Amino acid sequence: AQSVTQPDIHITVSEGASLELRCNYSYGATPYLFWYVQSPGQGLQLLLKYFSGDTLVQGIKGFEAEFKRSQSSFNLRKPSVHWSDAAEYFCAHSGSARQLTFGSGTQLTVLP
Amino acid sequence: KAGVTQTPRYLIKTRGQQVTLSCSPISGHRSVSWYQQTPGQGLQFLFEYFSETQRNKGNFPGRFSGRQFSNSRSEMNVSTLELGDSALYLCASSQPGGRTEAFFGQGTRLTVV
Repeated sequence: AQSVTQPDIHITVSEGASLELRCNYSYGATPYLFWYVQSPGQGLQLLLKYFSGDTLVQGIKGFEAEFKRSQSSFNLRKPSVHWSDAAEYFCAHSGSARQLTFGSGTQLTVLP
Repeated sequence: KAGVTQTPRYLIKTRGQQVTLSCSPISGHRSVSWYQQTPGQGLQFLFEYFSETQRNKGNFPGRFSGRQFSNSRSEMNVSTLELGDSALYLCASSQPGGRTEAFFGQGTRLTVV
């Protein structure tokens, strides 16, 4: 069965520090991979996506992610975190965009 | 371009009742998917509709059902509500085809008492 693992339930970083959120997937073929962000009581906003090609993808709000097939990973990074980045982040994959399998999420706290 | 619209935003129902949630996709999007989000189980896929036909279904009991209309709007229904059905229900719309992203609505928060 397809699965997505986000090993870190909660991460705390200081404002201005760099950020890396981890994501590992289990899927035989090349997956379609996504990162979403969710603020409290809100829906999911797409940060970035990977379908094929260049393994380093750029997204909105200064985020980027790198697809590493050898490690089955798709980690999200940001060089300098802002207080407004505090939210929950979800990694997801699918064989088609219409049925997503999500990780359990990583809650990000940003310290002033 | 308007985003995905879900109504209502909040609902409180009594155990045993039934509920209907509505989702209007982004204009031009013909695929609508539904997800349930709970603290214990996380985000789980319920079902997906395309051209008024259910194409995929997640591992949920038959009390959960849905439909899609000719204008691509979708509804999901939960009958005989249980306390464990309390959740945020999210709708997502996308273009048909594999390499497309899903856009989510703000969700309907259902509380069963």
